[in-house]
Amino acid sequence: DTAVSQTPKYLVTQMGNDKSIKCEQNLGHDTMYWYKQDSKKFLKIMFSYNNKELIINETVPNRFSPKSPDKAHLNLHINSLELGDSAVYFCASSPPFDGRYNSPLHFGNGTRLTVT
Amino acid sequence: GNSVTQMEGPVTLSEEAFLTINCTYTATGYPSLFWYVQYPGEGLQLLLKATKADDKGSNKGFEATYRKETTSFHLEKGSVQVSDSAVYFCALTYTGNQFYFGTGTSLTVIP
Repeated sequence: DTAVSQTPKYLVTQMGNDKSIKCEQNLGHDTMYWYKQDSKKFLKIMFSYNNKELIINETVPNRFSPKSPDKAHLNLHINSLELGDSAVYFCASSPPFDGRYNSPLHFGNGTRLTVT
Repeated sequence: GNSVTQMEGPVTLSEEAFLTINCTYTATGYPSLFWYVQYPGEGLQLLLKATKADDKGSNKGFEATYRKETTSFHLEKGSVQVSDSAVYFCALTYTGNQFYFGTGTSLTVIP
């Protein structure tokens, strides 16, 4: 069973379009994230949700809007796509801090977005 | 602030060579430390972790020791294989919901 799944795997679209990426986790985790990985493999946190509430909102253009309908889903909607949005977008999840140890992130396989 | 610094890549090694990828961190307390591996076309997978000073994380022949005195968490493997070719990320977290990643180190192992 896939723990963190994202769709689509590849997304090719033209500038100016609006697109969405979906993410679902079946791990029972409370916290979900969106990361952006550029062509040099640098990872940048975009958003984090805990139990459907936004807890991290890094400096990201407001064309990017996350939406969490329930704690197992975190979708990313992107308006007016630009060439610079081309990247791989990763969804991730993590369990709650148990008071002793910090558990690792669990990543999806990524969505490769290409804007032409 | 909190940050992670990894050695720059790319790293190219022959099969069975010894691997070290350096990772140092800046933190105000006692974070948990992780190494993630990303194989081509895939997401990041946890490779190993250490949650307190002097802990050694190990998995698949890879090891890393949490060194508080040198604020380091270097990744080592005694004999690399072609299948170890991937990008390796060092990361830290305090709270479990704010992770700080290094820039990644690309490793290529040639037969």
